[in-house]
Amino acid sequence: AQSVAQPEDQVNVAEGNPLTVKCTYSVSGNPYLFWYVQYPNRGLQFLLKYITGDNLVKGSYGFEAEFNKSQTSFHLKKPSALVSDSALYFCAVRAASGGSYIPTFGRGTSLIVHP
Amino acid sequence: DAGITQSPRHKVTETGTPVTLRCHQTENHRYMYWYRQDPGHGLRLIHYSYGVKDTDKGEVSDGYSVSRSKTEDFLLTLESATSSQTSVYFCAISEEVGNQPQHFGDGTRLSIL
Repeated sequence: AQSVAQPEDQVNVAEGNPLTVKCTYSVSGNPYLFWYVQYPNRGLQFLLKYITGDNLVKGSYGFEAEFNKSQTSFHLKKPSALVSDSALYFCAVRAASGGSYIPTFGRGTSLIVHP
Repeated sequence: DAGITQSPRHKVTETGTPVTLRCHQTENHRYMYWYRQDPGHGLRLIHYSYGVKDTDKGEVSDGYSVSRSKTEDFLLTLESATSSQTSVYFCAISEEVGNQPQHFGDGTRLSIL
């Protein structure tokens, strides 16, 4: 079975500081990994994905994520946080081959960026 | 934004009544999904479809049924609504499964009194 853990319900960061939202996963074989962002009263929006290749993936709005196979992690990062980055962030995983082709989502992490 | 429309956007109804939520897409994507979002649970898959008249259950399918009679529409029905089904429901689509992301509608907020 595949699973995702987002160990922090909430992350607080000051505007201009770097931010990290953590995600660890469990899956058989190689993973496909995704990050989504949700603003209030909106659906999830795709930010970035890891399929294969470079461990550092760049996505929308200046976000990036680092894939670490040995630690089974895919943490979301941004060098300088903006107040407008405040939102709910979801990590998702599915196995690259075999298993369920439907991704499994984490419970979400609320990012609050303080002015 | 992907062309996904959910209707209604808000609904309040009483326990025991039937409820149908609609998801309409203009992207001609093969795969469609229904999720519910609840505090502390994140997103949980209810049902999904991999083609017209091809559907399957997700992890929280009890009390829900779906139908997909054409590519663009995916209906979610609560045959007899219960208070535990109060939630925000999201429809998602994807062109292919695997390494392609899903695209989500803006949700239906359903309250069952």
